[in-house]
Amino acid sequence: TQLLEQSPQFLSIQEGENLTVYCNSSSVFSSLQWYRQEPGEGPVLLVTVVTGGEVKKLKRLTFQFGDARKDSSLHITAAQPGDTGLYLCAVWDSNYQLIWGAGTKLIIKP
Amino acid sequence: DSGVTQTPKHLITATGQRVTLRCSPRSGDLSVYWYQQSLDQGLQFLIQYYNGEERAKGNILERFSAQQFPDLHSELNLSSLELGDSALYFCASSVASLAGGSNEQFFGPGTRLTVL
Repeated sequence: TQLLEQSPQFLSIQEGENLTVYCNSSSVFSSLQWYRQEPGEGPVLLVTVVTGGEVKKLKRLTFQFGDARKDSSLHITAAQPGDTGLYLCAVWDSNYQLIWGAGTKLIIKP
Repeated sequence: DSGVTQTPKHLITATGQRVTLRCSPRSGDLSVYWYQQSLDQGLQFLIQYYNGEERAKGNILERFSAQQFPDLHSELNLSSLELGDSALYFCASSVASLAGGSNEQFFGPGTRLTVL
């Protein structure tokens, strides 16, 4: 069983549409990170959320950390082809390890 | 460009062989992390070094080993290779060694290993 469950696994939508992807767990975390990985490249950190209920915005991307710090969501407004990629959530465990979700593969069609 | 470099970019080898993957961290970063990314397992943490010393160990097989040299570059050695070792191997670096939201990791472009 994965510590972090990401949904959906795959999402293909048209340019201009809105979407939300999720990262869920039964565990409580002190912080949670979102990354985007493009084909042929390593993951790039988008945001770190720390406080329960926290909302962070990065241009058209809105990240929310659940009140209980067990889950998080990423909402993209007016998606663009440049948003295409694998979106990964990750959390630190007590052994200095970054634990990753399986990711949501997002394709934005022009 | 993250500032982390990895060589080689692609590696094709046969079962039973041994390979070495190389990583140079960003200037000033003391921590190096190695990850394996496969289709069925996703991203898995392998091992972390901080300023030359092993700091944390994840799901790293005994056939795999790593080290960090005085100039802070790191090498991941994979031996007795099996078909299932085919994957992308990423190196990441960070300034600090501690887990936590403020410790941003910067990833290299990866080495794609294919074992035939």
